[in-house]
Amino acid sequence: NAGVMQNPRHLVRRRGQEARLRCSPMKGHSHVYWYRQLPEEGLKFMVYLQKENIIDESGMPKERFSAEFPKEGPSILRIQQVVRGDSAAYFCATCRELKAEAFFGQGTRLTVV
Amino acid sequence: AQSVAQPEDQVNVAEGNPLTVKCTYSVSGNPYLFWYVQYPNRGLQFLLKYITGDNLVKGSYGFEAEFNKSQTSFHLKKPSALVSDSALYFCAVNYGNMLTFGGGTRLMVKP
Repeated sequence: NAGVMQNPRHLVRRRGQEARLRCSPMKGHSHVYWYRQLPEEGLKFMVYLQKENIIDESGMPKERFSAEFPKEGPSILRIQQVVRGDSAAYFCATCRELKAEAFFGQGTRLTVV
Repeated sequence: AQSVAQPEDQVNVAEGNPLTVKCTYSVSGNPYLFWYVQYPNRGLQFLLKYITGDNLVKGSYGFEAEFNKSQTSFHLKKPSALVSDSALYFCAVNYGNMLTFGGGTRLMVKP
């Protein structure tokens, strides 16, 4: 049973480009969380999704950011027109149910140049 | 709204000594509580959880945590620290839709 897979591990984008971050949950996991982490800082909640539904996106900026978790395929965090301030590590975590532990991917480190 | 507080940015302890990393939470109900560890350039790894039952929970790598409902705390402990325990530790609470993390505590274990 493979762990949570995130790709790419590292992503470099120029200002104004789009960034697409992918998260493939562990088998049987239908809950996906996305977090953002700056160096030496904590995890900032962005969005919580269950299959095909956004349950809570209160941590996500209203503009340029979107997330989806389609019936088939990975969850996608999409950042349009990236700016330097978007540079960070983005982690996804997945779990089977809310009282179960979440499993984290290795993260995608986005650098905007 | 739920919240998690880790009051110490860093905890320093000598190898072989006991360690405690503190966590308090604010939730109006019965939360699910978790501890995770993060090593450099890695994702978080699950250590242990409290759902219900015995207040003392045992987890991976010799860690344990004590749930105290009256103090709304869930402190992480280990009887004898190892240098390899040095890492960033996060407490988390899952209540409703939200899995919320504390700000993290850096544990430094010196030989």
